[in-house]
Amino acid sequence: EIVLTQSPDTLSLSPGERATLSCRASQSVTGNSLAWYQQKPGQAPRLLIYDASSRATGIPDRFSGSASGTDFTLTISRLEPEDFAVYYCQQYGSSLPTFGQGTKVEIK
Amino acid sequence: EVHLVESGGVVVQPGGSLRLSCAASGFTFKDYTMHWVRQAPGKGLEWVSRVTWDGYTKYYADSVKGRFTISRDNSKNSLYLQMNNLRTEDTAFYYCAKDIRGSSGSYCFDHWGLGTLVTVSS
Repeated sequence: EIVLTQSPDTLSLSPGERATLSCRASQSVTGNSLAWYQQKPGQAPRLLIYDASSRATGIPDRFSGSASGTDFTLTISRLEPEDFAVYYCQQYGSSLPTFGQGTKVEIK
Repeated sequence: EVHLVESGGVVVQPGGSLRLSCAASGFTFKDYTMHWVRQAPGKGLEWVSRVTWDGYTKYYADSVKGRFTISRDNSKNSLYLQMNNLRTEDTAFYYCAKDIRGSSGSYCFDHWGLGTLVTVSS
């Protein structure tokens, strides 16, 4: 099983600031098959990024993803009020998909 | 627009059974692999099960293997999860999720339902 470790657990930022979220895999993720989801309270997760760096349909370009070896990064270039939420990474390169524990982006 | 609507979540006693349903619309259901993903209240996400477009190939997380059965009815645009021998640790929101890849399938979920809450408690 591939374990994904997200950091930090909580990120306290102000609107307009840049957010950088990390996700480290315990082993190589085949084909950089990694996704990022956003979840707000009482809502289902929403796909933001897939294949490590491809934006899902309708996702603003302030969201971007990148990969370097087993390290993956989600960057939100300028936080909007609606971006404060919990973010999960997920790998789907193996037959057992796994999620990270989540990073909460909160208003400072 | 894709819509996934789950139903069937209730309070059930340990050892009991339950069947969840997911009604799909807004896309060609029969062309896509479908999944169930769950989330215990206040906790993280866990993939539960997957079924291929034709309903023949099914996969399960170890935590539910032998107890849960996924199925689909393409004539009704519906996905199901039969849950038997339920345990307290199965308490969670259960989400129906559409695969991003179509018939070839992956484990990347581009649309999710709102979820249905299953509570296993005596």
